Amino acid sequence: EIVLTQSPATLSLSPGERATLSCRASQSISINLAWYQQKPGQAPRLLIYHGTNRATGIPARFSGSGSGTDFSLTISSLEPEDFAVYYCQQRYNWPDTFGQGTKVEI
Amino acid sequence: QVQLVQSGAEVKMPGASVKISCKASGYTFSDYSFHWVRQAPGQGLEWMGWISPASGATRYPQQFQGRVAITRDTSASTVYMELSSLTSEDTAVFYCAREDRFGSGWYYYSYWGQGTLVTVSS
Repeated sequence: EIVLTQSPATLSLSPGERATLSCRASQSISINLAWYQQKPGQAPRLLIYHGTNRATGIPARFSGSGSGTDFSLTISSLEPEDFAVYYCQQRYNWPDTFGQGTKVEI
Repeated sequence: QVQLVQSGAEVKMPGASVKISCKASGYTFSDYSFHWVRQAPGQGLEWMGWISPASGATRYPQQFQGRVAITRDTSASTVYMELSSLTSEDTAVFYCAREDRFGSGWYYYSYWGQGTLVTVSS
């Protein structure tokens, strides 16, 4: 099973600041990685798929990068609605696995 | 538009089973696969399994093998997840999620149900 380790666990920032979230895989997963955003009481929402591609309707301030074992999600300028928990997920090998999440808080 | 509507909250005794439904609409049901994901209170996301609506093929992670069964009813455009031998550690929100195909054959979870809370308590 591929383990995804996200860091930091919590990121405390202010609106307008840049957020950089990290996801490290226990083995190479090429670019078979997605990022999801989850707000309290809601289902996760797909933000980025296959490493770098924004899903439909996702603002351009969200960007994904990386390949192999090291990946990043960057939010260029935080909006109030971006404060949430973010999960990475690998779809390189069964079983699908998720990171433990990074909480972006004000 | 694509919608996934899950069945309502459940309260179960330890040792019991629970069966949750996920009704899909807005597209051809057999065209896309489904997954189930568990989220314990305050915790992260845990994959529970996959089903192809077209063939009925399933796949489960080792930690749920023998305890989870994912099925589908194509006539009702509905997938089901049944989890047996419940313990308090199974208290969680369970989500169904539908894949989408991207690019030349990449599949990610584009649509999610609203979640179903299952509480296991004596």
